[in-house]
Parts: sequence; structure tokens; C-alpha cells
Amino acid sequence: EVQLLQSGGGLVQPGGSLRLSCAASGFTFSSYAMSWVRQAPGKGLEWVSVISVSGGSTYYADSVKGRFTISRDNSKNTLYLQMNSLRADDTAVYYCATVQQWVVQTCFDYWGQGTLVNVSS
Amino acid sequence: EIVMTQSPATLSVSPGERATLSCRASQSVSSNLAWYQQKPGQAPRLLIYGASTRATGIPARFSGSGSGTEFTLTISSLQSEDFAVYFCQQYNRWPPEITFGQGTRLEIK
Repeated sequence: EVQLLQSGGGLVQPGGSLRLSCAASGFTFSSYAMSWVRQAPGKGLEWVSVISVSGGSTYYADSVKGRFTISRDNSKNTLYLQMNSLRADDTAVYYCATVQQWVVQTCFDYWGQGTLVNVSS
Repeated sequence: EIVMTQSPATLSVSPGERATLSCRASQSVSSNLAWYQQKPGQAPRLLIYGASTRATGIPARFSGSGSGTEFTLTISSLQSEDFAVYFCQQYNRWPPEITFGQGTRLEIK
């Protein structure tokens, strides 16, 4: 069974940093591109970032470019999102997700349970 | 940015009836469109990709159609577990510029 177990959310002050983790099991993590998607409270979904299977290619939404960094450790079956210079409008539930097929089908098969990031003073 | 517009915002349908949800793209996305279902407090679930291909384990009562700028998700006979929010997502470009619709809430009539 595919499982994506997320951790690392919480309350952080504006301008602060936070790192999210997503531990994968039940599939060959190193064979799948991965992504982060977020959802502000009561709002819709917003794509954040995507990373290739090797980690050599990464892409970001304009809203987070230069502030967030996606990475992965295939030896640990874990995906990360380093978030710096956080702003109030980054407040959201963050989901990690598997990418169905790199480039060809950039939709999201399996999702983590979500972790809340609350940016507030 | 490709803007995805879903309609209606809320759809009220009785169990056993058919539901038709629409998604329009501001420019052509070919067939690079997915549909998701989200229930309160849960992560989204992939239903349809490539505009019309059901994801693994998705019941046959869910079907997708369309291409270019107009897309439809049809649920042929609504079950109680189908009442949820549905999102469409386009993934037409590379490097990715992925965008979602704002969602349609499907509620019990």
C-alpha cells in the first residue's frame, strides 16, 4: 500500500523558516517524481513545486520561487520542502504527492495526509 | 497563466441521479486535464487524468470528457460517498505551470 507520511508543519512567525518532510513507503520512491501542493484554509488547491526522480530537475510556482527549495533523499525514501522567508499568505495545508508520469502526465496519483503551516505573529 | 474555471460553484443533486460538472480553460490544454475529489479533512483523490482515463480503483460511474478548453466530469448515478468537492487541474505546459480550478461542491439535494 502506498503511504506518504508527512511531518514538520506548525506555527512560525513571518520571515521564519520551516522544513516539511514526506516519508514514502509501499512503492519504489526512487522511480517517481514528487510534488508539493498546498491549500489555504477554505480555499482551492495551488501547485507549489515538483522534483524529478533523481532530484536533478526542480520547478516552482512563481509565488514561492526563490524562497522554497524542494529536495529528496532516495536512500531515505523522503521528500523535503525547505520554506524560508515565510509570509502570512503561505499559511496552508501542504500536501506531498506522487507525480503520475514526469512531463507527460503531471498530475498527482497519491497524496500525503497534509500538514498545516501557520505563518502568524 | 492558464486559468481554470469550474461551474457551477455548488451543485445540488439527489442520490441516484446524474451529476455533470464543468471545467473551462482560458486557453487550450489539449487533453492534459485531471479531476480530483476531496472530502472534508482529507487529501484530494485522483479520479481522472488525460481528460478521460479513470485512475486506478475509480468506479466506472465516474467519466471524463472533453479536450481543448471545455471539459466535463460526469457521475452517472450518485452514491452517498460521492458528495464532496471536485477540482480540475491542467498540466499542459513544460516547464510546469500547473493550475487548478476553484472547485465545485457537490451536495445532496
